[in-house]
Amino acid sequence: DGGITQSPKYLFRKEGQNVTLSCEQNLNHDAMYWYRQDPGQGLRLIYYSQIVNDFQKGDIAEGYSVSREKKESFPLTVTSAQKNPTAFYLCASRIGVTEAFFGQGTRLTVV
Amino acid sequence: AQTVTQSQPEMSVQEAETVTLSCTYDTSESDYYLFWYKQPPSRQMILVIRQEAYKQQNATENRFSVNFQKAAKSFSLKISDSQLGDAAMYFCAYPEDNNAGNMLTFGGGTRLMVKP
Repeated sequence: DGGITQSPKYLFRKEGQNVTLSCEQNLNHDAMYWYRQDPGQGLRLIYYSQIVNDFQKGDIAEGYSVSREKKESFPLTVTSAQKNPTAFYLCASRIGVTEAFFGQGTRLTVV
Repeated sequence: AQTVTQSQPEMSVQEAETVTLSCTYDTSESDYYLFWYKQPPSRQMILVIRQEAYKQQNATENRFSVNFQKAAKSFSLKISDSQLGDAAMYFCAYPEDNNAGNMLTFGGGTRLMVKP
């Protein structure tokens, strides 16, 4: 079945550590997105990519980095520069101007 | 930047009754899509309904329908015959198009509670 897979579902990070969240899609979508969601809040855009080897910063890119080496994959790295990384992270993909399809999310907690 | 505003942080409805969730947006485009997403406690984002701005007719999907007022830039979601399973966060979304590409911007969400 086609879809978007995020892993892991739960991730724990120690202070000062970088962690990488995985996002893979087999929908042949060109565009991919990373959103952050804090409790009871909406989705805020971190980074997005329209094509391979190209990506743009969203509203809250500081402390995060991404790569887009393959069409299917758009990993997000939460660096030690992100001071408040505890949140729920959602990856999405879409084609053209239609709706986005979402993964099931990764909950990141700083311990 | 374009904005999407949901003015109702929380709404409550009695089971089997009807509720309307509000959304306004800002755009200078003439042709675009609008979306409503549902996020249940599982936190999976589920598309509820989409509206194409050039279409006069309001979109309908079973118990879900929209009231799309293009001139007013309003896109409300009506849920009829509310069910307990409708309890969730609901997000309105608008695709922004800029020089860097096409983003999808979400409103702050409305938490819908359904009372038995």
